[in-house]
Amino acid sequence: SQQGEEDPQALSIQEGENATMNCSYKTSINNLQWYRQNSGRGLVHLILIRSNEREKHSGRLRVTLDTSKKSSSLLITASRAADTASYFCATGGGNKLTFGTGTQLKVEL
Amino acid sequence: GAGVSQSPSNKVTEKGKDVELRCDPISGHTALYWYRQSLGQGLEFLIYFQGNSAPDKSGLPSDRFSAERTGGSVSTLTIQRTQQEDSAVYLCASSLAREGNQPQHFGDGTRLSIL
Repeated sequence: SQQGEEDPQALSIQEGENATMNCSYKTSINNLQWYRQNSGRGLVHLILIRSNEREKHSGRLRVTLDTSKKSSSLLITASRAADTASYFCATGGGNKLTFGTGTQLKVEL
Repeated sequence: GAGVSQSPSNKVTEKGKDVELRCDPISGHTALYWYRQSLGQGLEFLIYFQGNSAPDKSGLPSDRFSAERTGGSVSTLTIQRTQQEDSAVYLCASSLAREGNQPQHFGDGTRLSIL
């Protein structure tokens, strides 16, 4: 079963707008990671946030974590057409990651 | 340096045949993972290697699936007597450490189609 569930399943925005994706999970976590997957490619790691962190930034990416609500959000600011991809959250602990079902983001020119 | 390499990139085979999928992890990465991704879905964990041993095989869907890793490097995922439901993209990832806190580096996958 999927640990993380992303919301929305699909998101379409105009270039320059911000995109926000949410992830909810069910059990306690050590950390939460976000990955991007371009069509036909493998996953690329974007950012990792530990359970004792509340917010983290990397370039145009901002991730928040609320362990009391078991949720995380990924914000992409000033989106570009190249940001078009599927985005997955993954929760880790021990030796494997459990992935959500993903949000398909489409950024239109 | 080179990333995770998987071969073949595409494989089409008839139901009932055996297939072997190969993964070359990033040099020096001790942990190696296999996942399966069905169309439009998230990733399903299959098996994890630390060095040459597989302490977690919990995700293998049936005894038709097996995997090995030699020399702490290359891994092969074998599916025997393939069924149509085995059709999916098989992704391999590697990471530096065994703990789940490390980012995983993925190959581009093998797209397996069972006719």
